[in-house]
Amino acid sequence: EIVMTQSPATLSVSPGERATLSCRASRTVSSNLAWYQQKPGQAPRLLIFGASTRATGLPARFSGSGSGTEFTLTISNVQSEDFAVYYCQQYNDWPQLTFGGGTRVEIK
Amino acid sequence: EVQLVESGGGLVKPGGSLRLSCAASGFTFSSYSLYWVRQAPGKGLEWVSSISSSSGHISYADSVKGRFTISRDNAKNTLYLQMNSLRAEDTARYYCTRYDYSSGWSYWGQGTQVTVSS
Repeated sequence: EIVMTQSPATLSVSPGERATLSCRASRTVSSNLAWYQQKPGQAPRLLIFGASTRATGLPARFSGSGSGTEFTLTISNVQSEDFAVYYCQQYNDWPQLTFGGGTRVEIK
Repeated sequence: EVQLVESGGGLVKPGGSLRLSCAASGFTFSSYSLYWVRQAPGKGLEWVSSISSSSGHISYADSVKGRFTISRDNAKNTLYLQMNSLRAEDTARYYCTRYDYSSGWSYWGQGTQVTVSS
């Protein structure tokens, strides 16, 4: 099983700042990596697919990068609605999926 | 509009059974693979099971293999998860989600809560 490790567990940022979230795979997943946002009481929302492709309608302040085992989700100019938990997910072992433990982005 | 609506959750004793359903609308149900993903209270996301469009390919997480059975009825536009021999650690919110090879898991239901407790 591919293990996904996210860091940091919690990220404190001020509105308008940049947030950088990391995700590491225990072995290569090529570009088969997705990012999700989840707010309390809501289902996960797909943000990024294929490591860097934004989901339909996603603001351009969200960007994904990386390949192999190291990935980054960047939120430039963090807005109030961006405070949430973010998960990475590998699907290189499709149909078996594994998720990272999540990064909580909180208001500083 | 794509909609996925889960139902069938509830409180069940250890060793008991539940059958979850996920009713789909707004798309050609028989063309898509579907997944169950769960989330224990205060925890992260865990893939549970997946089924291809024609039910030809089915997979399970090791944690549920032999106890859970995924199925679908393409005539009724409904996905199922039969859960037997339930354990306390199966307590979670269960989501169904649709997979599209070009855009991933863009659509999720709101989930149904399963609580396993005596």
